[in-house]
Amino acid sequence: DIVMTQSPDSLAVSLGERAAINCKSSQSVLYSSNNKNYLAWYQQKPGQPPKLLIYWASTRESGVPDRFSGSGSGTDFTLTISSLQAEDVAVYYCQQYYSTPPAFGGGTKVEIK
Amino acid sequence: EVQLVESGGGLVQPGRSLRLSCVASGFTFDNYAIYWVRQAPGKGLEWVSGISWNSGGIGYADSVKGRFTISRDNAKNSLYLQMNSLRAEDTALYYCAKVVPAGFIDFWGQGTLVSVSS
Repeated sequence: DIVMTQSPDSLAVSLGERAAINCKSSQSVLYSSNNKNYLAWYQQKPGQPPKLLIYWASTRESGVPDRFSGSGSGTDFTLTISSLQAEDVAVYYCQQYYSTPPAFGGGTKVEIK
Repeated sequence: EVQLVESGGGLVQPGRSLRLSCVASGFTFDNYAIYWVRQAPGKGLEWVSGISWNSGGIGYADSVKGRFTISRDNAKNSLYLQMNSLRAEDTALYYCAKVVPAGFIDFWGQGTLVSVSS
């Protein structure tokens, strides 16, 4: 089974500043036949279910602000919020969908400094 | 508008059973795989089980294998999770989640809370 590890567990960032969350998979989630990374990012605000932000490691879901971006390939990935807004306070999860069982990272809590 | 509405949660004693349901609307239910994903209080997300559009593919997390059974009724736009031999560690908010063909989740329900305690 693939294990997903996120870092840091939490981070506090000033409004308007950049936040970066890392996600590492225990084996590559890059599928060579289509050159796609089977990696998604979700945002979960307090009291709400998760919401899809990014899939294929770097494709933003429709309606997601462009301050959210995903990067990386193979086993190392990053979710970046370029200019943190108050409404971005949430827990962020990465998830691999390369193989069963699908696996989530432990989550990263983003707060305002 | 896509909706997934879970029900059936509650307080149950260890060793007992519970059946969760999820009713879907706003999309063609029988075109999509569906997952159950749970979240223990204050913890992260854990995939529990998944079922393909035609029930031909089914999978379970090791933590629930042999105790939980997933099923669906496409005629009723409904997904089910039969949970037997419940343990305290099964206490969680259980979400049903719509899975696109590529394999990621594009929509989550609001969840139903299962509490296992004597």
